Amino acid sequence: QSVLTQPPSVSGAPGQRVTISCTGSGSNIGAGYDVHWYQQLPGTAPKLLIFGNNNRPSGVPDRFSGSKSDTSASLAITGLQAEDEADYYCQSYDRSLRDYVFGIGTKVTVL
Amino acid sequence: QPQLQESGPGLVKSSETLSLTCTVSGASGASISGSGYFWGWVRQPPGKGLESIGSVSYTGRADYSPSLKSRVSLSVDTSKNQFSLRLTSVTAADTAVYYCVRLVSLYSDFESRYFQYWGQGILVSVSS
Repeated sequence: QSVLTQPPSVSGAPGQRVTISCTGSGSNIGAGYDVHWYQQLPGTAPKLLIFGNNNRPSGVPDRFSGSKSDTSASLAITGLQAEDEADYYCQSYDRSLRDYVFGIGTKVTVL
Repeated sequence: QPQLQESGPGLVKSSETLSLTCTVSGASGASISGSGYFWGWVRQPPGKGLESIGSVSYTGRADYSPSLKSRVSLSVDTSKNQFSLRLTSVTAADTAVYYCVRLVSLYSDFESRYFQYWGQGILVSVSS
């Protein structure tokens, strides 16, 4: 059980737009802490996808975007591609736990 | 970008100590002694999510996840451009892929750190 709640799975057809929610509370996202997103392709290490709520590291396609509002954040993938099939994790800081926390991960399936 | 590579035994006996080393290489930003960077560990039990273990600066100042603090210690060796993890009294629950990571901070504070670069990971199994 994680303090950041993500849907276990989302799916979409190639070219579609999908969104992944990350819901927290007043001790993490709602406290103003930034949200970061990671992509984990099958059998590989996680990779930073979005940092500071909505910033993309160099090399990350602009099909990926992040947003944050109140106690939740979202990752959007537009123009879904087969290569986007992966697990996606949100991460923030929790002041009650005094620790970095991850969501349970969302598996994105391209139909 | 830096390359991070974990090394260490893939099998540890229950109640013993897990020890891993991460070697950092590459060009710009690959020096452990570079300011503004922190070096840490994240683990992932098979089929499960990610868990932060802790991080350490090049000065050796370490921060640990409260849930593991009593069993974890991190250290750095700037001469070898390496940092290490020790986890004592392991149980089956410590079986996981262990990733070494580089952390950076958005606002020069502890709370805004995120995991910028990751090693490929090493599976450590705890046997009884």
